[in-house]
Amino acid sequence: SQTIHQWPATLVQPVGSPLSLECTVEGTSNPNLYWYRQAAGRGLQLLFYSVGIGQISSEVPQNLSASRPQDRQFILSSKKLLLSDSGFYLCAWSRAYEQYFGPGTRLTVT
Amino acid sequence: QKEVEQDPGPLSVPEGAIVSLNCTYSNSAFQYFMWYRQYSRKGPELLMYTYSSGNKEDGRFTAQVDKSSKYISLFIRDSQPSDSATYLCAMSQGGSEKLVFGKGTKLTVNP
Repeated sequence: SQTIHQWPATLVQPVGSPLSLECTVEGTSNPNLYWYRQAAGRGLQLLFYSVGIGQISSEVPQNLSASRPQDRQFILSSKKLLLSDSGFYLCAWSRAYEQYFGPGTRLTVT
Repeated sequence: QKEVEQDPGPLSVPEGAIVSLNCTYSNSAFQYFMWYRQYSRKGPELLMYTYSSGNKEDGRFTAQVDKSSKYISLFIRDSQPSDSATYLCAMSQGGSEKLVFGKGTKLTVNP
């Protein structure tokens, strides 16, 4: 069966610090991978998606970036965090039209 | 007009009630429709998946899609306190695996 992992689960970072969130998927190959942000009281916002190694599409302009160094690894990064980057970050993978989410990382920027 | 509209609630019902959750959408190209359940501080969990119009039943859950009205529903029969969560609808076009989500409806089932 397929499993998706995210870490860390919780993160508190000061404004201006760097960020690295990691997502890995087990039990499938060549999945489409996604990063979402869910802010309090708001819906899921698609940030990045990837159809293969090194192939990243950005959905919204921001100070975040994503990379896919391996088939089942997806990384979300920032060089300098803003207060507005606080939120619940979710990684997902898809098979056909079904998307499956990881447990999420709750990021608080102080 | 937003692509997907979902009443945020909150919706509070007694245990055993039938719950109806709904979404409307504007893009007639949507063909794949999903419902996710999200418990507090957890990732969304895929609950139901439907292609095109019609009904799909899974235990206490029934998903309905009416493409002519651009309206989808999720019914929960014999609701339980463990059903208390936020329910998100999502949909996608043929040829794209990217989903468009509603903002979610928060449901509380009271024992």
